[in-house]
Amino acid sequence: GAVVSQHPSRVICKSGTSVKIECRSLDFQATTMFWYRQFPKQSLMLMATSNEGSKATYEQGVEKDKFLINHASLTLSTLTVTSAHPEDSSFYICSARGGGANYGYTFGSGTRLTVV
Amino acid sequence: AQKITQTQPGMFVQEKEAVTLDCTYDTSDQSYGLFWYKQPSSGEMIFLIYQGSYDEQNATEGRYSLNFQKARKSANLVISASQLGDSAMYFCAMRDLSSGSARQLTFGSGTQLTVLP
Repeated sequence: GAVVSQHPSRVICKSGTSVKIECRSLDFQATTMFWYRQFPKQSLMLMATSNEGSKATYEQGVEKDKFLINHASLTLSTLTVTSAHPEDSSFYICSARGGGANYGYTFGSGTRLTVV
Repeated sequence: AQKITQTQPGMFVQEKEAVTLDCTYDTSDQSYGLFWYKQPSSGEMIFLIYQGSYDEQNATEGRYSLNFQKARKSANLVISASQLGDSAMYFCAMRDLSSGSARQLTFGSGTQLTVLP
C-alpha cells in the first residue's frame, strides 16, 4: 500500500531556530501534499496545500514566511518552521494525495515539535 | 464551505459492546466523500472507512460500519464488539469532490473513545 515517511517524529529546538520536517512518499508519486497542525485534544487544522513544482496555497491566518513549504519533487515535501517560538509547539502531520490506497489520502506519522 | 460536526467529545463503552460515534456534515455539494479515521495516542492517522455520497449501500469494513443517512446529512460510525485497543480519538472527515477543489479533507473536532474492561 501507499506509505508516507515523515521525519523527524519528535524534535525539540531552541526558540529562534528553524526546524525542517520532511514527508516522503515511498511507493507512489504525491501530486498534492497537505500540511496540518494539531494542538492537544483538538482537530487537524489545514495549514497549506502544495502541488509539485508550484507555490503552496496557505490557509487564512497561516504565515507564509514562518511556515515555508517546498514540494520540489513528486516524492518529497518539506515544511520549515522558521524562527520557531514556544507557541509553534504542536503536532504537525502531512497527508499525500496520489497513492491508490485509503481512497487517495496517505498520512505521515506526524512530528511533535517542542520549542523551548 | 463544508463543515463537520462531532457532538460527542468523549464516549465510554464496555469491552465487547457496540458503540456509535456521531457525525453530521454540512455541504452544498452533490458529490462528496466521507471518511472516518482513528488516531491513537501515538498520533498516526489510521484510515477506517469511506462512504461516497452516491453510494447506496452503507460502507462496512470488518468491525466498522458507517450508518449513512444522506437526507439527514449524518455519517455515524458503528464499532461492533469493542476491544481495549479501540481506545483512541476518532475523527470524521469530508472530502470536497467538486471540480476545481484541491480536494482537501475537512475534519470534525473528534470523539475520544475509551473502552472499559
